[in-house]
Amino acid sequence: AQSVTQLGSHVSVSEGALVLLRCNYSSSVPPYLFWYVQYPNQGLQLLLKYTTGATLVKGINGFEAEFKKSETSFHLTKPSAHMSDAAEYFCAVSDPGNYGQNFVFGPGTRLSVLP
Amino acid sequence: GAGVSQSPSNKVTEKGKDVELRCDPISGHTALYWYRQSLGQGLEFLIYFQGNSAPDKSGLPSDRFSAERTGGSVSTLTIQRTQQEDSAVYLCASSPPGQGAHEQYFGPGTRLTVT
Repeated sequence: AQSVTQLGSHVSVSEGALVLLRCNYSSSVPPYLFWYVQYPNQGLQLLLKYTTGATLVKGINGFEAEFKKSETSFHLTKPSAHMSDAAEYFCAVSDPGNYGQNFVFGPGTRLSVLP
Repeated sequence: GAGVSQSPSNKVTEKGKDVELRCDPISGHTALYWYRQSLGQGLEFLIYFQGNSAPDKSGLPSDRFSAERTGGSVSTLTIQRTQQEDSAVYLCASSPPGQGAHEQYFGPGTRLTVT
């Protein structure tokens, strides 16, 4: 079984500050890992994903995440927050050999960006 | 190209009525997912289709919920005898076959309000 935890249901940062959203997972097999963003009243949009290869992955809008197997983590970062980054962020894990029920989302972290 | 579309975007219904929610996936996407997102909550998996078959119905919360997919394309989620606790945003996602199978593309959702 797989699971995802996201530390902090709500994170606030100042505009221009570092954004760090935490994601830890539990998986019995090497997982695929994802970050999705949800803007108000919209569906989810893929930010970035890790499948295999380089553990530091870059996504859209200046976000990146690093897969750390030893820490079972996939934290999302952005060097400088912008007002437009305010949204809900979801970490997700998938079993490479399967999908459907095995695609599990975390509870989400709401990011607020203060002027 | 066209993304995942869902209709209606908003639905208000009286307790006890039946509702149908529609999802049009991206053309060529073989997998289709339904999720429920309650206010301030993460995503709750409901059902997954591969083609017209639903190998995983484990997330349907009760027998009042059912879903079908026809022609490997459009899917309908039906909720019978709606209850107030069914109020939520219902999200649909689709995935392509092959290497992209683990990427989900989301629609904008249907906001269901049961009064």
